[in-house]
Amino acid sequence: AQSVTQPDIHITVSEGASLELRCNYSYGATPYLFWYVQSPGQGLQLLLKYFSGDTLVQGIKGFEAEFKRSQSSFNLRKPSVHWSDAAEYFCAVGRSGGFKTIFGAGTRLFVKA
Amino acid sequence: GAGVSQSPSNKVTEKGKDVELRCDPISGHTALYWYRQSLGQGLEFLIYFQGNSAPDKSGLPSDRFSAERTGGSVSTLTIQRTQQEDSAVYLCASSLTPWTGKSRTDTQYFGPGTRLTVL
Repeated sequence: AQSVTQPDIHITVSEGASLELRCNYSYGATPYLFWYVQSPGQGLQLLLKYFSGDTLVQGIKGFEAEFKRSQSSFNLRKPSVHWSDAAEYFCAVGRSGGFKTIFGAGTRLFVKA
Repeated sequence: GAGVSQSPSNKVTEKGKDVELRCDPISGHTALYWYRQSLGQGLEFLIYFQGNSAPDKSGLPSDRFSAERTGGSVSTLTIQRTQQEDSAVYLCASSLTPWTGKSRTDTQYFGPGTRLTVL
């Protein structure tokens, strides 16, 4: 069955520190993978997506993610976190040919000064 | 408008009542999506409209849930005989072009959501 797992319910990092949010997926074919961010009081926003090609994907706001097929992972990274990055982050997996995107439960990021 | 709007922002209702949630997509967007976000859970897909095609209703959890999209623009999600487990944030999104997952123009733009509380 298709599924997305975000192992960390919440993470706290210091401002300026590096960040890695984990995402593991289970999918029968080559997946399309997405990361979204949901800031307090705001709608979901797409950070980046992968569907083919270079396995290291650059997104908005300085985020990047790497697709590792052997590990069924698509971890989100940022080299230096800003206080404004505090939000909830969702990983999702989907495919073409019909809308069947599955979202993870989310990881809430806290940033401390 | 500039973005996807949803109304009301909050709705409190009593168990057994019907509710209607409204979504105004970005002008010109052909695709519209409804999701449900329950406390501590990810987004659950409900329904997908694409142009004049029959909607993909595969995510609707029961026959108490229905949605329509009039004139290819505004959409209404209706929940009949609400139950406490229907309490959640209902999110709407739209995209310029039909979903493929690998196009720049099928990026979903989400509204702020409607928080539904069923007492």
